[in-house]
Amino acid sequence: KQEVTQIPAALSVPEGENLVLNCSFTDSAIYNLQWFRQDPGKGLTSLLLIQSSQREQTSGRLNASLDKSSGRSTLYIAASQPGDSATYLCAVNDYKLSFGAGTTVTVRA
Amino acid sequence: IAGITQAPTSQILAAGRRMTLRCTQDMRHNAMYWYRQDLGLGLRLIHYSNTAGTTGKGEVPDGYSVSRANTDDFPLTLASAVPSQTSVYFCASSDQASGDPDTQYFGPGTRLTVL
Repeated sequence: KQEVTQIPAALSVPEGENLVLNCSFTDSAIYNLQWFRQDPGKGLTSLLLIQSSQREQTSGRLNASLDKSSGRSTLYIAASQPGDSATYLCAVNDYKLSFGAGTTVTVRA
Repeated sequence: IAGITQAPTSQILAAGRRMTLRCTQDMRHNAMYWYRQDLGLGLRLIHYSNTAGTTGKGEVPDGYSVSRANTDDFPLTLASAVPSQTSVYFCASSDQASGDPDTQYFGPGTRLTVL
């Protein structure tokens, strides 16, 4: 059974600081890995999807890396802004999505 | 285009009652999913449907049933609600026939409290 862990559970940083969010998974036989953003009381929005054959994906200030062999992914958010405050979830796809519990980020103005 | 809509937004329900959570998508996606989200546990898949007329069980299907009579609708039914089914329920869809089959689009969620 795939286990997905996100550490830390919560993170608070001042505006402008770079964010580093970690995701680890137990079974490396995955098709892809996705990072989602969830605002309070809202649904999930897909941010980045990395195929198993890729090492990283970038979208604007977001960069996600994938090391499948070690079962790890990292989401980097450059120059954080208060609008980046949200919960970030990673999910691995090994025929179905298995989600981590998320990292709740607060960016202080 | 609304994407995915869910109803109701929230509901308080007495234990033992029957409840159907509604989910409708207007993107003509073939695949649809129901998840529950509980604090500290992330999202867990309840049921899914790869195409109209077919359904499958996810990680936590007990106590829930689904149907997929058409492409757009994927209702989730709790036949006899129990307090452990208190959760936030999310419906999602994906277009497995597109160039981006693995991206799932989520509805806004239904917050259900069973007393």
